[in-house]
Amino acid sequence: EPEVTQTPSHQVTQMGQEVILRCVPISNHLYFYWYRQILGQKVEFLVSFYNNEISEKSEIFDDQFSVERPDGSNFTLKIRSTKLEDSAMYFCASSEGQGTQYFGPGTRLLVL
Amino acid sequence: AQSVSQHNHHVILSEAASLELGCNYSYGGTVNLFWYVQYPGQHLQLLLKYFSGDPLVKGIKGFEAEFIKSKFSFNLRKPSVQWSDTAEYFCAVNAGGGYNKLIFGAGTRLAVHP
Repeated sequence: EPEVTQTPSHQVTQMGQEVILRCVPISNHLYFYWYRQILGQKVEFLVSFYNNEISEKSEIFDDQFSVERPDGSNFTLKIRSTKLEDSAMYFCASSEGQGTQYFGPGTRLLVL
Repeated sequence: AQSVSQHNHHVILSEAASLELGCNYSYGGTVNLFWYVQYPGQHLQLLLKYFSGDPLVKGIKGFEAEFIKSKFSFNLRKPSVQWSDTAEYFCAVNAGGGYNKLIFGAGTRLAVHP
């Protein structure tokens, strides 16, 4: 069964450093998403991406965040200058377009 | 603003007990409704979903959920839980179209004792 994959599984970085989280969505899916879950809190929507552009973003997704689909398979989330409060589990998801989103295993980001 | 409420944060049951997890959402329009499950150390997996049609939907592993539009609810049920159902359960709503963001509830952590 096709799955969404994410790398790395864990990332530790220093405050102010840039990080890139990578995702490989399910191959025939057209809609891509990033969510995050701060420890002990809800899963929160960050951004959705379709047809090579952002279709929706949350208040969390400020200028420090960007997404890209650099090739036909990867979907990345970049945080330009990480803050302590960016520490969270980041989930990538993809969907064919009819609502069901399939999630990856997540990347646990720790900002020191 | 749209929101999802899950009434129970922690539930502890013995095997063979029945389960019902509450979920209410606030949104006046058409919604798609989901229950996701996260087993320890694993990623979010779709348990079941409701888009339209029969409001009683059946999912994997014997789970079912009932959409009651008048109550804005989508409660998850299982008649007899197993130890392997120990996990965190998330209700989510997708409002306004097929590819819109999911809004999650806070999750319910279920522990099933043998």
